[in-house]
Amino acid sequence: GAVVSQHPSRVICKSGTSVKIECRSLDFQATTMFWYRQFPKQSLMLMATSNEGSKATYEQGVEKDKFLINHASLTLSTLTVTSAHPEDSSFYICSAWGGGPAGGAYQETQYFGPGTRLLVL
Amino acid sequence: AQSVTQPDIHITVSEGASLELRCNYSYGATPYLFWYVQSPGQGLQLLLKYFSGDTLVQGIKGFEAEFKRSQSSFNLRKPSVHWSDAAEYFCAVGVNDYKLSFGAGTTVTVRA
Repeated sequence: GAVVSQHPSRVICKSGTSVKIECRSLDFQATTMFWYRQFPKQSLMLMATSNEGSKATYEQGVEKDKFLINHASLTLSTLTVTSAHPEDSSFYICSAWGGGPAGGAYQETQYFGPGTRLLVL
Repeated sequence: AQSVTQPDIHITVSEGASLELRCNYSYGATPYLFWYVQSPGQGLQLLLKYFSGDTLVQGIKGFEAEFKRSQSSFNLRKPSVHWSDAAEYFCAVGVNDYKLSFGAGTTVTVRA
């Protein structure tokens, strides 16, 4: 399957600081990437859709000023948690979308990164 | 709106036994259907997907799933489970704007 990487895999930071998480698509160019948050023993919650070269689209209830998303290239999207607080501690997972019908073997499928564990003290 | 139901929160199965995980969906059009597996502390790995055609889909790690339109189901099966199959399994429906709607997940425990 396609490879999507995330960095860092885990991060511990102090309350009030900002943390940047990178998501890279290694096997294909991803015009669309997604950012999810997962709480323990729960399913994934979509936070935002990241489109290359344009503003991200946030799901209802997600603060766009707190969770800054940048999709500067077809292989890289970043999520910055600004002024992090303990309640932002969570598992953040990104995915890259393999494109429409012309996407070949990766078409119409989201490929997920390994996740980033964020702990805010 | 689309929704995905995984009726079984937790399943325990003996190693070597068969496994079936249930998934029902609600979606107005023909859905794109996926099964993903998540090991503890890891991201999601795609097991298999269904877009169209043959309703029995083969995936990785010996898994298969069958799309039944009449039952709005996409159940995942494996004939003989291995201890390494212990994980969380998510069924998902793909919708028009490339998003996925996930089920709540089923935790699979494998006993020796």
